[in-house]
This record gives sequence, structure tokens and C-alpha cells, in this order.
Amino acid sequence: GAVVSQHPSWVICKSGTSVKIECRSLDFQATTMFWYRQFPKQSLMLMATSNEGSKATYEQGVEKDKFLINHASLTLSTLTVTSAHPEDSSFYICSARDHGGRSYNEQFFGPGTRLTVL
Amino acid sequence: GDSVTQMEGPVTLSEEAFLTINCTYTATGYPSLFWYVQYPGEGLQLLLKATKADDKGSNKGFEATYRKETTSFHLEKGSVQVSDSAVYFCALSLSGTYKYIFGTGTRLKVLA
Repeated sequence: GAVVSQHPSWVICKSGTSVKIECRSLDFQATTMFWYRQFPKQSLMLMATSNEGSKATYEQGVEKDKFLINHASLTLSTLTVTSAHPEDSSFYICSARDHGGRSYNEQFFGPGTRLTVL
Repeated sequence: GDSVTQMEGPVTLSEEAFLTINCTYTATGYPSLFWYVQYPGEGLQLLLKATKADDKGSNKGFEATYRKETTSFHLEKGSVQVSDSAVYFCALSLSGTYKYIFGTGTRLKVLA
């Protein structure tokens, strides 16, 4: 139980294009999902908190117009990197909190999406 | 502010050696504490957790005890295997916001 999937697992795109990454909770409802970015050999940096049915809350320094987050249902959140540039290349990881409260303070992580912008 | 400090890696051990990865934290209130493991090219997997003082989390031979008096959550394993080679992250979860604060990660390499 408590499985989170991400799609795609990796993507290569040209500079200037937009890329959408999906995060799904497969066997539980998630009112809250989190998006992280991880640079090589570094820790995870929280980008934003995604709440179902409302606007995402972005961490300081994260451009909300560049990283669009939509959390339209209790099982799906999407991150769209708009007008991607090579410096956006990174490993993006999502996590979800179980609304049902099995482990109310715990996040369940997806396998990550590696984005490479050429 | 709230923070997690982990010992810097990389840590290189021989198979069957004893492992300790130190983790200390600073937080207001009573956070939950976690250890996650990340294998190359993958996301994070929960290794163990503790939600209150003196709790001991354990899994796959790994253990960590929530020490409020020393604000620590050190990870230990009595006998490591080559398959334990990975990056280990200590994290705390803040009550109310459910946000995680991660340590910088410690890379472990176990040699046969």
C-alpha cells in the first residue's frame, strides 16, 4: 500500500518547450502532495506544496509561473515546467500525504522524473 | 530555524562492518523523525521512522532511536552488506505543515 507513481520516469526536451510531469497516488487519497527538486549528489529541495482543489504554495525563490502545479483530484498532481532551459535539468520527485491518516505525518515518495533540457 | 544535520560522507565500509550515520536536529515542538534510503537513479524509500521521544525505529537490520535530550536520531546497523550501498537521508516532519526538512544525505559504499 501507499504507492506513488510518477510519469514519465525520464524526459528529454528542447530548450523553450514545456514539460508536464504527473504524480499519482495509486492506492490512497492525497489531499496534499509535495514537489521536490534534487541536483546531483545533493539533498532534496522542496519546491511547493500542492493542495487538492486550491492553489499550490511555493517555497521562497521558486518561480510559480515557471513551475505550474495543478492538483485537480485526490490522486493526481501535475508539475509543468514551462519554457524549459538547460538549468531546469534536474531530478524531480513528488510525494503524497495519506488523507486517510494511516501515517498522518509521513510522506510517500514517487520514483522521480529525470528531466534533461537540451 | 528548523534543521537537520547529517554527518558528511562518503562513508566506506567493508562488508559486515558496523555502521553509524549521525543525525541531529533542531526543531520547535515535537517532530517525527525519518530515515530514507535512495538507490542510484531512484526515488526515496522509507527505511524507518519514530514519532515520539524514546521510540526506536527498525527495519532490515537498521535501527535508530529518537533521543529528545540530545536531539539526535542516529542510524545504526550491526553488519552492513554490499547491497546497503546507497544514499541515506535523515528527515524531520513538522507538525501541522507536514513539511519535511531533509539532511544533506550521506553516501554509503560497502566493499565486498
